[in-house]
Amino acid sequence: QQPVQSPQAVILREGEDAVINCSSSKALYSVHWYRQKHGEAPVFLMILLKGGEQKGHEKISASFNEKKQQSSLYLTASQLSYSGTYFCGTEGNTDKLIFGTGTRLQVFP
Amino acid sequence: SAVISQKPSRDICQRGTSLTIQCQVDSQVTMMFWYRQQPGQSLTLIATANQGSEATYESGFVIDKFPISRPNLTFSTLTVSNMSPEDSSIYLCSVGGRSNQPQHFGDGTRLSIL
Repeated sequence: QQPVQSPQAVILREGEDAVINCSSSKALYSVHWYRQKHGEAPVFLMILLKGGEQKGHEKISASFNEKKQQSSLYLTASQLSYSGTYFCGTEGNTDKLIFGTGTRLQVFP
Repeated sequence: SAVISQKPSRDICQRGTSLTIQCQVDSQVTMMFWYRQQPGQSLTLIATANQGSEATYESGFVIDKFPISRPNLTFSTLTVSNMSPEDSSIYLCSVGGRSNQPQHFGDGTRLSIL
């Protein structure tokens, strides 16, 4: 089943912060986060493994709550380059990623 | 990270025809994945391609419609058969994504059916 992301869309001014949430109905082994700009392929941001938390990219960090099967992506002091659609990808007990519903982020000057 | 070359990058096809998309990776990989991304939507996994065995298809996708080949550890093809306008999408191949490995994508094939 596809993970659900919230919010569906976010509009920010440069320098503002945002949080994107990803919720799964299944037990998770890991959560991946990706950003996709219009007309381009998704680009990897970071992975969070069961039992750990990783910061992977600029001023972007994330958390993973295994018990709640949820992950959150934190974007601080947003930049224009942060604009795009963010997807979480969840890995359960199978060797494949299932991508979430997506969150569209727009950052304006 | 793996470099993935996918072609064609885009195509416009007539309904009822078929198109084969190629995906080449610069290193040997066990599993390759094919996704579909409909306009404004998320990525949906079509199938997993393992070298030396039949591809594993996700619910809603069948081999007759999306036959996949995986002749070696660096190459795979996806064919979209008997196309209809509903097949208009971006098709992406990818590698990785298991455990602590990032998933890397080809640039995608933008397919339009008239």
